[in-house]
This record gives sequence, C-alpha cells and structure tokens, in this order.
Amino acid sequence: RKEVEQDPGPFNVPEGATVAFNCTYSNSASQSFFWYRQDCRKEPKLLMSVYSSGNEDGRFTAQLNRASQYISLLIRDSKLSDSATYLCVVKRGNAGNMLTFGGGTRLMVKP
Amino acid sequence: DTAVSQTPKYLVTQMGNDKSIKCEQNLGHDTMYWYKQDSKKFLKIMFSYNNKELIINETVPNRFSPKSPDKAHLNLHINSLELGDSAVYFCASSLRSSGNTIYFGEGSWLTVV
Repeated sequence: RKEVEQDPGPFNVPEGATVAFNCTYSNSASQSFFWYRQDCRKEPKLLMSVYSSGNEDGRFTAQLNRASQYISLLIRDSKLSDSATYLCVVKRGNAGNMLTFGGGTRLMVKP
Repeated sequence: DTAVSQTPKYLVTQMGNDKSIKCEQNLGHDTMYWYKQDSKKFLKIMFSYNNKELIINETVPNRFSPKSPDKAHLNLHINSLELGDSAVYFCASSLRSSGNTIYFGEGSWLTVV
C-alpha cells in the first residue's frame, strides 16, 4: 500500500461547480499535511497547509481527519484556472523534512 | 528573479553517458533537495542536504551522486545513464530541514535514449 493515496482522476467539472478531492495516508506518525498544486509541465507549488480544525483560503477548504487518516480539499465555484493536478502531501515528524507526495488528482474545469 | 533555478531544463542523452544537473537557490535557505517525478507522476525524494551536509538519502542507485559545494548549490551527477532514469528531476529548497514549505525549481526533463 502506498503511503499517500489519491484518486488520480481526471475530475472533469464545469465552471462554477464544487469539487472535492480525498487523500488517505498510512503512517499514523504523520504530523503535518499539505496540498500542493502542479500545473502541466510545471513544478509543484504549495496551495495550503491542512490543520486539524480545518482551514479555508478563499474558495479552497482543507479538512483533516486524524482518526481516519484522511485529508480532503474542497474547491468551490471552480474556475478554468483551477485546472491542474492537486498533490496531497504528508510530512513525518522526524528525520528531516521528509515530505511524502501522493500521485495527485487531476482536475479539468471546462467552460 | 528565479528563486530555485536548475539547468539544463531539457536533456536528451544516450544510455551509458554521464550527465549533471545543476541547482542554485537565492532564497538563503539552509536545506536543499532533489526529487524525481516519473512517468506515473509520483514525486519521490532522492536526497536532502542541510548546510552542505547530507541528511536524507533514500534508496537511490549509487550512480546518482549529489554534491553541495555550498548551501546555495546542490548539483546532481548521474553516471552510466539507463533508460529507466528518464524522468523529471526537481531541485527544491526550504528555509530549514524542519521547514514546512518547499520551493521547487522548474524541473529538468531527462530523456535517455
């Protein structure tokens, strides 16, 4: 089993739709959680951190469920520019900055 | 100004050759990384250096040798290239080894033929 698992998609949604991605992680010692965004043929960039109480950044809401080892990302009012691959990222608490990336979920927002 | 820059961006080379990818960051970060993203898009860490010292060395063939002449540079040298080495190699940096935000370079597309 991979340490961080995501549905690869693609998720094809119309502009204005609400879409949610899920991610599960296997290492219960994981301490920090993030969503990164990667555009086609570009480098990954941090989208947002994920906090236990849940957090929101504009149209983006991230949730963490430690008991179920599950992370989610909700995007409201999808824009064409949201089309990208969304990477779920988990960090172990020790051994340097050991970030483990999921394989990503591809989102395509259509007009 | 590019924060993490790596060269070359594209590299096509024959099996058996030796090649290097260079990386520099101007963010003043202490920690630098090399990641590999394969054709299935999984991004995996290869190496991490903190102030020129190796702190993470994942299971990588010893044909791959990182070198950090100073904390702003982390180069990757690959000997005896194989077809399976074809991938995108991303250099990255973070403020410190415990830092949460990693900044990636634009990637180096390596194709071995």
